[in-house]
Amino acid sequence: GENVEQHPSTLSVQEGDSAVIKCTYSDSASNYFPWYKQELGKRPQLIIDIRSNVGEKKDQRIAVTLNKTAKHFSLHITETQPEDSAVYFCAASLLWGAGTKLIIKP
Amino acid sequence: DGGITQSPKYLFRKEGQNVTLSCEQNLNHDAMYWYRQDPGQGLRLIYYSQIVNDFQKGDIAEGYSVSREKKESFPLTVTSAQKNPTAFYLCASSSARWDRQNTGELFFGEGSRLTVL
Repeated sequence: GENVEQHPSTLSVQEGDSAVIKCTYSDSASNYFPWYKQELGKRPQLIIDIRSNVGEKKDQRIAVTLNKTAKHFSLHITETQPEDSAVYFCAASLLWGAGTKLIIKP
Repeated sequence: DGGITQSPKYLFRKEGQNVTLSCEQNLNHDAMYWYRQDPGQGLRLIYYSQIVNDFQKGDIAEGYSVSREKKESFPLTVTSAQKNPTAFYLCASSSARWDRQNTGELFFGEGSRLTVL
């Protein structure tokens, strides 16, 4: 069946450094690629999304890139801060990746 | 205060019992979804509904049932046929009636944690 693969499962970075999370998807018909952040015990919340007619989108310290030909997309967080620590999920429309636990070291 | 309300927050069930999880939204959204989240895993789609009186199976629909009699409500029943029902269940809604490949932002409830004893 269709799936979304997300890597790495855990990412530890020094505060102030950048973090990159990557996802690949199999359903070439997918047109919507959101990223959600889930803090411990809370609901997922959208942080950024991109549609297939766009290659890159940026919102302050967060950016997403999409390569529709290769069927992969990435989340980039620059100047990481302690409050960025959370689990991040990518999705290809309604199909989700397994999540990346991002740890920001002080 | 607009949003999605799930109840109960915690639920314990004996094996062989059916349970129903409530999901109500006052965002006037057309589409509603049920996801299951297990530890260390992403969300898996159980059922979704794009309009009243219509719903479609997601990726793991076996052992679950839903109804959509009102726009605001999308209850999920976990039946005794679900082999491993202990999980965290999340209800979501979105403002437009997308097809499965072309969706929009999901707004989530706070979730219901079901434990089978």
